[in-house]
Amino acid sequence: EADIYQTPRYLVIGTGKKITLECSQTMGHDKMYWYQQDPGMELHLIHYSYGVNSTEKGDLSSESTVSRIRTEHFPLTLESARPSHTSQYLCASSVLAGVKETQYFGPGTRLLVL
Amino acid sequence: GQNIDQPTEMTATEGAIVQINCTYQTSGFNGLFWYQQHAGEAPTFLSYNVLDGLEEKGRFSSFLSRSKGYSYLLLKELQMKDSASYLCAVRDWGGSQGNLIFGKGTKLSVKP
Repeated sequence: EADIYQTPRYLVIGTGKKITLECSQTMGHDKMYWYQQDPGMELHLIHYSYGVNSTEKGDLSSESTVSRIRTEHFPLTLESARPSHTSQYLCASSVLAGVKETQYFGPGTRLLVL
Repeated sequence: GQNIDQPTEMTATEGAIVQINCTYQTSGFNGLFWYQQHAGEAPTFLSYNVLDGLEEKGRFSSFLSRSKGYSYLLLKELQMKDSASYLCAVRDWGGSQGNLIFGKGTKLSVKP
């Protein structure tokens, strides 16, 4: 079973607030990801990291930012939350093991911006 | 461009067999994954195919035809707990730097 954690699990916040979604994994995985998923829709990659001090933008443009100061930690920050940011945010990690690189997902954070 | 298609919803009966299809178009195919996602939960890895043919893992099997851009997930001896969304994802080295591109998922409902 994968050991990847996200906090908070649910967050309701007002417009304009700064928020940070936490993601931690204890598997020593190099690569980490942030996905955004609306109900009934596909996962969209918004950020990823190959390792410490590496951050890349994903396929879906996002106003969020990420940092990777430690291998196990990959927080996502929204400087000023808006209702359009309401969604589920899923963190994932994988070991760089060649072709069969399997991603393990955290439980997700459901964000509602009022 | 990149595109993954799978049916939106399917219904099947407990104990039966169901096949969930996935077609894809990518510029740099390098593997296809199936994930299971129960409502409100995170996706969990089910299977992986990179070569043509069938991969079997217990009640679940996955098939790949690279020439046809086609895969299916076969679930046998369906159980109520198999009610979930099944996500087809393709690793694409063409436009996505080897990251996964996910389909919208197929919501499977298993009836008694």
